[in-house]
Amino acid sequence: EVQLVESGGGWVQPGGSLRLSCAASGFTFSHYEMNWVRQVPGKGLEWLSYISNSGGTIYYADSVKGRFTISRDNAKNSLFLQMNSLRAEDTAVYYCARSSSTYYDISTGYYVPNFRLDFWGQGALVTVSS
Amino acid sequence: DIVMTQSPLSLSVTPGEPASISCRSSQSLLQSHGYNSVDWYLQKPGQSPQLLIYLGSNRAPGVPDRFSGSGSGTDFTLKISRVEAEDVGLYYCMQALQTPPWTFGQGTKVEIK
Repeated sequence: EVQLVESGGGWVQPGGSLRLSCAASGFTFSHYEMNWVRQVPGKGLEWLSYISNSGGTIYYADSVKGRFTISRDNAKNSLFLQMNSLRAEDTAVYYCARSSSTYYDISTGYYVPNFRLDFWGQGALVTVSS
Repeated sequence: DIVMTQSPLSLSVTPGEPASISCRSSQSLLQSHGYNSVDWYLQKPGQSPQLLIYLGSNRAPGVPDRFSGSGSGTDFTLKISRVEAEDVGLYYCMQALQTPPWTFGQGTKVEIK
């Protein structure tokens, strides 16, 4: 069974730092891309960051670029998000999510580009407040 | 960035009746060979989101066949043929092109009457 378990959330003052971890199990972690997605309480979903299976390709949303750093340790089946210079508006539940970027259509034989977040963790609450 | 706009933002449905959610993208999500890069997710109360539909119309493993996705280009629809009590929650569409940022719609809250 695929499991993603986030940890490291909590309360931090504005300007502070926090490091989230996501422990993966039930699948070959090193084969999959991973992401962080957040949800402000009572609001919608915001994709934040992507890392390829090898760690060689990384993307960030503009809202966190330069402040957040995604990384992974394939030997430890773990994903991380280092969050610096935190602001009140970063208060949210942070989800790690596994993704796939290609779909093989067996009926046509095509490999089709398709980004999808196929498994999500339960989330970690980060509260930024003075 | 591609903007995804959902409607309605809330929906109250009688069990056994159909429901439909619309999602419009600010740019075409149609790829070559006719595939549309839109995913649908459901977030049940107190849970994390789960993938329902990918490539516009493909159900994710384990998703009941009462859920279906359709549409092309910039206009997409998620339909529930007969709503059940377990279908309550927030439904999100997401543009799934290869290039980030991957953006979600605002969410549609589905409730049972």
